This record gives sequence, C-alpha cells and structure tokens, in this order.
Amino acid sequence: QVQLQESGPGLVKPSETLSLTCTVSGYSISSGYYWGWIRQPPGKGLEWIGSIYHSGSTYYNPSLKSRVTISVDTSKNQFSLKLSSVTAADTAVYYCAREIHEDYGDYNYYMDVWGKGTTVTVSS
Amino acid sequence: EIVLTQSPGTLSLSPGERATLSCRASQSVSSSYLAWFQQKPGQAPRLLIFGASSRATGIPDRFSGSGSGTDFTLTISRLEPEDFAVYYCQQYGSSLWTFGQGTKVEIK
Repeated sequence: QVQLQESGPGLVKPSETLSLTCTVSGYSISSGYYWGWIRQPPGKGLEWIGSIYHSGSTYYNPSLKSRVTISVDTSKNQFSLKLSSVTAADTAVYYCAREIHEDYGDYNYYMDVWGKGTTVTVSS
Repeated sequence: EIVLTQSPGTLSLSPGERATLSCRASQSVSSSYLAWFQQKPGQAPRLLIFGASSRATGIPDRFSGSGSGTDFTLTISRLEPEDFAVYYCQQYGSSLWTFGQGTKVEIK
C-alpha cells in the first residue's frame, strides 16, 4: 500500500532555511495525485503549508507563500519542502500527505494517506 | 479564507455513549470538500470521513458524518476505548485547505 516518510534535519537555526523530503513508496508520484505538506506546532492544531501536482504545479497557503517552495523529483519518487527565514514559530511536527482530487462522481477532495511526521525545532 | 469552528472543545463521555461533534464554517463549504480526521497522541491524523458523509477505507460504521452548507457533524454512535482522541474537520476552498481547531473526546 502507499506509504509516505518524511526526512530532514530535526534542528534548524533561526533565519535559516528548513528543508524536508517526503519519500513515497507503493505508488509512483508521476502517475498522478497532488502531494501536500501540513504542520502542527506543539500542542496546537493542523496548518496546511502547500501542495504540488506530479507535473510540478503548486499552490501554497497565502500566510506562508512568501517563504515556501515545494518541488517534486519523480525520478526519486520524492517531493520536498523548503521554508526560508524560519523563527521559533516554525517549530512543529511536519507531515506530508497524499491529496485526492476526484475528477468523477462527487468530485471529492481529501487527504487520505499521511506520513508519520517529523519534528523540526527552530533554535540556536 | 474559510474559518472552521469546532465545538465543543472537549467532550467528556463514557465508553458506549454517543458522541456528537460539530464543525461550523464561516461561509458555505461544498460537501465534497469536507473531511474529518482522528488524531491520537504521537500519531499522524487518520482520515475518517470525506465528502462530508463517506467513510474512508477501514473505518468502522459507528463513525458517521452529516451536514451541508455551514454546519457539519461527526457522530460516533457508541464510543469504543480506542475512539478517545482529538478530532479535526477540514475543508478545501479557493485553493486553500483549512482545519478546525479540534475537539478532544476524553474518558469521563
């Protein structure tokens, strides 16, 4: 079955760039679907960061758009997140997820498969 | 941006009881774009309901979703011990996903 696994540094210094990768197994990214990043600060709720289509088209949360870049590497079956100029407020568990955008029937949109998450702390 | 407000913040119930969780949107949401997730401590969110009322694969039928427009409900008909967790609603609109702040279902 489809599995997602986040990876990257667990500690990032303030003002630097956070970089994470999501490796997909059990499904070829180039076959379709959108792929997204979501984060959860300690003890708080979920915040969507942005998403990418297998072709490379992206859409981002307006509140983070100026600092976010999401890219895809179909040869490695991975997609990546870069978040620049981080502060302590960016400390969170970061999840990657698959997005379903049905193009038939009820045209449902939802996130069905999630990675386990990776904790990123911003601190000097 | 559509804001989702969940109520109550915490629901204290006993196993076997019925749980009713509310998700209210600041403006109308397409039912096709409304989902519910369950999250347990230290785990990723798990999709329960999509399209406002369709259960995801492997989700027991004690979980059901309903509603339309600005008011949506997740119902757990009879709480099992493994159902005590935090529940989030989520919507997609104008190329933006937003989540409610969550409802914690705790053991009374």
